Amino acid sequence: EADIYQTPRYLVIGTGKKITLECSQTMGHDKMYWYQQDPGMELHLIHYSYGVNSTEKGDLSSESTVSRIRTEHFPLTLESARPSHTSQYLCASSILFGTGGTEAFFGQGTRLTVV
Amino acid sequence: SQQGEEDPQALSIQEGENATMNCSYKTSINNLQWYRQNSGRGLVHLILIRSNEREKHSGRLRVTLDTSKKSSSLLITASRAADTASYFCATGLGGSQGNLIFGKGTKLSVKP
Repeated sequence: EADIYQTPRYLVIGTGKKITLECSQTMGHDKMYWYQQDPGMELHLIHYSYGVNSTEKGDLSSESTVSRIRTEHFPLTLESARPSHTSQYLCASSILFGTGGTEAFFGQGTRLTVV
Repeated sequence: SQQGEEDPQALSIQEGENATMNCSYKTSINNLQWYRQNSGRGLVHLILIRSNEREKHSGRLRVTLDTSKKSSSLLITASRAADTASYFCATGLGGSQGNLIFGKGTKLSVKP
């Protein structure tokens, strides 16, 4: 089991609400990621971070924002949730650099439903 | 844009049979990784193969990589019902800036 935790596991929320999805890891990894995955589909990278105070946008444009104030914590925020944001959100972490590649450790995911 | 493309999209076999999944990608890579995802859960890393490697084994898993064809295969031998899951390949460019790009996955169903 990877030491990376996401809360909540499931969230049903009304349109227009502000939400924050939490992600924490205890492995001391510098690099962290957020992926978005619709049921049965591929993962799309929406945000990543190289370390504290670093945030970058991923390949898929997202209305969400992220912050990285502490190494272990990488929360994702939606200021005004919409039904189109309904999806599963997966957080992951890895070491920053490894010759020949590094493996990513994933949390269990947050399944978000906006009604 | 997604780089990896798994084939087949879905595979159904009987327990004890071998399962083979393929992955094709478009650009040069530093490494290729395979992950497993149980329904509605996070991904678990299975195996990483570097671009200068051709084959790698881990337990019942065997991964091959053909960089000239830009393809990889994952073989699960003597499959079990517990192997039922989706399997994703992910390509990496290496270095601190490289991010993993995932394919669409193969949904494997192993019937007891």
